[in-house]
Amino acid sequence: AQSVTQLDSQVPVFEEAPVELRCNYSSSVSVYLFWYVQYPNQGLQLLLKYLSGSTLVKGINGFEAEFNKSQTSFHLRKPSVHISDTAEYFCAVSELFNDYKLSFGAGTTVTVRA
Amino acid sequence: GAGVSQSPSNKVTEKGKDVELRCDPISGHTALYWYRQSLGQGLEFLIYFQGNSAPDKSGLPSDRFSAERTGGSVSTLTIQRTQQEDSAVYLCASSTPGGGGRGVGDTQYFGPGTRLTVL
Repeated sequence: AQSVTQLDSQVPVFEEAPVELRCNYSSSVSVYLFWYVQYPNQGLQLLLKYLSGSTLVKGINGFEAEFNKSQTSFHLRKPSVHISDTAEYFCAVSELFNDYKLSFGAGTTVTVRA
Repeated sequence: GAGVSQSPSNKVTEKGKDVELRCDPISGHTALYWYRQSLGQGLEFLIYFQGNSAPDKSGLPSDRFSAERTGGSVSTLTIQRTQQEDSAVYLCASSTPGGGGRGVGDTQYFGPGTRLTVL
């Protein structure tokens, strides 16, 4: 079975600074990788996903992530954050033969300060 | 267009009572999923529907939990004899496959959730 580790539970960052959220996964088969964002009192929204092809994936709101198979990582980055990026971010993985079942990391809370 | 909706948004119940949580998926979405988000366990998969069938119920925590889907649309998650450890946010998601079949890595669109508190 797959599992996901988000290495940072809380990430404080100043406005216009870059941010990186780390995600590592483990699985014995090929995986698909996702980043979701959850704004306060809202549901989860997909930021981006990796299915195949180019390992650098660009998503909404200026976010991007890079799939590194050798390091089993899928870190999320944004070069310049805004106050509105304050939210909780979840990394998720699904496996090739059960791709409907998402396994989520514990989440990273990003707090952007002016 | 309308997203996934869930009702009620909040539910407070007493231990031992039964509760029903409802999910209305995005129109036309054939797949539907239930997840649970709790402080101790994070986000957990509960059950997956393809049409009205549930090929994977492996995440349901106990036989007190059941779910059904009718008409390939609305789904109800029922928890019988609720316990305090059932307190959580229950999230529903839906997706549609591309190309006429169940697609690979389909995007799951999530509803706002139902916050269940068992006293």
